[in-house]
Amino acid sequence: GAVVSQHPSRVICKSGTSVKIECRSLDFQATTMFWYRQFPKQSLMLMATSNEGSKATYEQGVEKDKFLINHASLTLSTLTVTSAHPEDSSFYICSARDFRNQETQYFGPGTRLLVL
Amino acid sequence: AQSVSQHNHHVILSEAASLELGCNYSYGGTVNLFWYVQYPGQHLQLLLKYFSGDPLVKGIKGFEAEFIKSKFSFNLRKPSVQWSDTAEYFCAVRSSGGYQKVTFGTGTKLQVIP
Repeated sequence: GAVVSQHPSRVICKSGTSVKIECRSLDFQATTMFWYRQFPKQSLMLMATSNEGSKATYEQGVEKDKFLINHASLTLSTLTVTSAHPEDSSFYICSARDFRNQETQYFGPGTRLLVL
Repeated sequence: AQSVSQHNHHVILSEAASLELGCNYSYGGTVNLFWYVQYPGQHLQLLLKYFSGDPLVKGIKGFEAEFIKSKFSFNLRKPSVQWSDTAEYFCAVRSSGGYQKVTFGTGTKLQVIP
């Protein structure tokens, strides 16, 4: 099946620093990628939809300037958490949709972010 | 706006017991429905999906789900669970238009006791 990778899998950073998370589709091209956030014992919350070559569409309540998304190629999207604070600690998951099969999304393994 | 509710947060079953996990959604238009599973330490995987046609959908590993439009429900079932089914299960709904945003339920943790 289609594979989506995320890097890093875990990251610990100091408050005020920025963290970049990569999401790659390994064996397919993804015109659309999605970024989710999952708090403990809660569901995945969609943060933004990233379309290759255009600006991301953010969900209500998600700060665009804090969570920078770049989808520069058909296989890579990045999420940068700028000036991270402890409340940004969470599990970030990306998913990608194969442009040849728009019906299915494939999920990455997630990135655990801990901000001290 | 679409929403999804899963009624059971934590279910504990013995092996060979039957499983039914509830899922209800709210959305005024045409939807696609999904069940995802997340095994411990692994990422989300698609169990099954409904787009149209036969409302009884069969997925992997012996799971099935039935779409009942009048009840806005998409319950997941398995006649006989195994220890390896221990995981967290998420129901999700996607609107058919626009960016096709997927909304997830809060998940149900299933623990199967050998």
